[in-house]
Amino acid sequence: DAMVIQNPRYQVTQFGKPVTLSCSQTLNHNVMYWYQQKSSQAPKLLFHYYDKDFNNEADTPDNFQSRRPNTSFCFLDIRSPGLGDAAMYLCATSQDRGHFNEQFFGPGTRLTVL
Amino acid sequence: GENVEQHPSTLSVQEGDSAVIKCTYSDSASNYFPWYKQELGKRPQLIIDIRSNVGEKKDQRIAVTLNKTAKHFSLHITETQPEDSAVYFCAASSGSARQLTFGSGTQLTVLP
Repeated sequence: DAMVIQNPRYQVTQFGKPVTLSCSQTLNHNVMYWYQQKSSQAPKLLFHYYDKDFNNEADTPDNFQSRRPNTSFCFLDIRSPGLGDAAMYLCATSQDRGHFNEQFFGPGTRLTVL
Repeated sequence: GENVEQHPSTLSVQEGDSAVIKCTYSDSASNYFPWYKQELGKRPQLIIDIRSNVGEKKDQRIAVTLNKTAKHFSLHITETQPEDSAVYFCAASSGSARQLTFGSGTQLTVLP
């Protein structure tokens, strides 16, 4: 089945220790998104890739970086995680056909910062 | 940029009753309005969406209405069941933005 996959599902890291979250998709969608979702809040967009073009949200901290080496994979790097970065990180994809289409979400990675 | 407001933040209904969640948006260029259901610890899942060229869309017990003039849209769930209990998010987007602006979410509880 075509899908969006995130690994790992649960990640524990120490304060200040870099961590990388991964997302892969078999949908062949050209747009990939990274969201941060804290408890009882809406998903907050961090950045998105339109093909290889990187689009950063204005309020995304520099601590968060992303890479998209090919259509199928996208990575979220958190260079120096703080306690406030503990959250669920959601990857999503969509296919831009000139008008907005459904975003498909992955299952998320729950990040704990000790 | 777009701003989406969602009400109520919590909603409790008796099983079998109807539930209505309302959202307003600010950007008149927005033309795509999805609704997502998110169960605890799980991914948001699209349950219904509507584009600005229609005023209402229905899928079994779920319906969405859109009033472009007033810039508001609503989710209607009829004959609610306990498995409808979840957080529901509305969202809005304009085609050129390629991104969704989410409402703050509504925790729906269906009491048996």
